[in-house]
Amino acid sequence: TQLLEQSPQFLSIQEGENLTVYCNSSSVFSSLQWYRQEPGEGPVLLVTVVTGGEVKKLKRLTFQFGDARKDSSLHITAAQPGDTGLYLCAGAGAGGTSYGKLTFGQGTILTVHP
Amino acid sequence: GAGVSQSPSNKVTEKGKDVELRCDPISGHTALYWYRQSLGQGLEFLIYFQGNSAPDKSGLPSDRFSAERTGGSVSTLTIQRTQQEDSAVYLCASSWGRFASGANVLTFGAGSRLTVL
Repeated sequence: TQLLEQSPQFLSIQEGENLTVYCNSSSVFSSLQWYRQEPGEGPVLLVTVVTGGEVKKLKRLTFQFGDARKDSSLHITAAQPGDTGLYLCAGAGAGGTSYGKLTFGQGTILTVHP
Repeated sequence: GAGVSQSPSNKVTEKGKDVELRCDPISGHTALYWYRQSLGQGLEFLIYFQGNSAPDKSGLPSDRFSAERTGGSVSTLTIQRTQQEDSAVYLCASSWGRFASGANVLTFGAGSRLTVL
């Protein structure tokens, strides 16, 4: 059973298009993070959201944490080829578990074509 | 060091052999994690060390897998009698272990790619 469900699993778009990646769960998380990973490297943290309903913006990326802290979304505006990579959501504190242990979704592979 | 260092970066072994993967965390980080990643997929939690507390081993897939963390720093993940299904990238991460506002920030190494023939 996957605790965090990410969708879509694959996304192939043209430069300039907008896209949204979703991360859903039936569990409540104390915090949720988004990471980006490039081939041959480890994931790199993009953002952490901790408050239900919170919205954070990082240049062309907008992250939202659901009001009930069970879901999150990542929206990219005017995607660029440099946005290509594997995007991962990760949650902590579900069911009262330690904040230290992160549970990851299965990832979304994004390809942006020039 | 400046980042999390893992070695070897690539390891090819024969089925049935034992392998050791090493992780050097960021100096001062009290928490250390091992995750496993299959090609293009999400991360599967294996084990978590926090300071001097007993490690959380709940993610280890079988008793062939074990990990140690010596002196609160370097960690070694050992896989005994490797099987083909053990082939994956093994990622190590470390963090300060202090959770401001309930959030924990992990810094990952580049991983060790294990191929079992």
